[in-house]
Amino acid sequence: DTGVSQDPRHKITKRGQNVTFRCDPISEHNRLYWYRQTLGQGPEFLTYFQNEAQLEKSRLLSDRFSAERPKGSFSTLEIQRTEQGDSAMYLCASRDREGNEQYFGPGTRLTVT
Amino acid sequence: GEDVEQSLFLSVREGDSSVINCTYTDSSSTYLYWYKQEPGAGLQLLTYIFSNMDMKQDQRLTVLLNKKDKHLSLRIADTQTGDSAIYFCAEFGFKTIFGAGTRLFVKA
Repeated sequence: DTGVSQDPRHKITKRGQNVTFRCDPISEHNRLYWYRQTLGQGPEFLTYFQNEAQLEKSRLLSDRFSAERPKGSFSTLEIQRTEQGDSAMYLCASRDREGNEQYFGPGTRLTVT
Repeated sequence: GEDVEQSLFLSVREGDSSVINCTYTDSSSTYLYWYKQEPGAGLQLLTYIFSNMDMKQDQRLTVLLNKKDKHLSLRIADTQTGDSAIYFCAEFGFKTIFGAGTRLFVKA
């Protein structure tokens, strides 16, 4: 097992474009989390999946953001009509059913120009 | 509301002990985590403690939890230059709430 992976690692896009990020959790981890981290801050919770069900969404997740985990394995985070304020590191983490340890992926750094 | 606070900076000499402090507000937290983040890298889980424990030791790391004061600390013994990084405290209830991070500088 190679840990949580995220793709792409970096994304530069123009304002107004749509972007999609992918997260592959550690295999058999049924819980998956998305966070956003801006410079000088800790990660901020965005949303949480248990298997394919999205159980919690932060108020930070505006209408332009949507996340899916269709088969309970990988997840995607889409941002529509990107704005400069969306520039951040988007982090994914996973945790297994009984485990106490939440492992993070390397993140996708988004730059909106 | 939920909040986690940490001091922003800590500077120590190589070989000394470092103590990074954190306060949290959610008394229903089940676990409290410490993560390390080096420049340009993701978050590395260092250690965690159950909310019903007072102390946990893991090699050079000691975590102390004062539930009454909602205060958590991470002590790093024999601090090395490779320990220079940002350290995040996080509380986990239904979701994980992170502090803003403490930047540890280790002087040779």
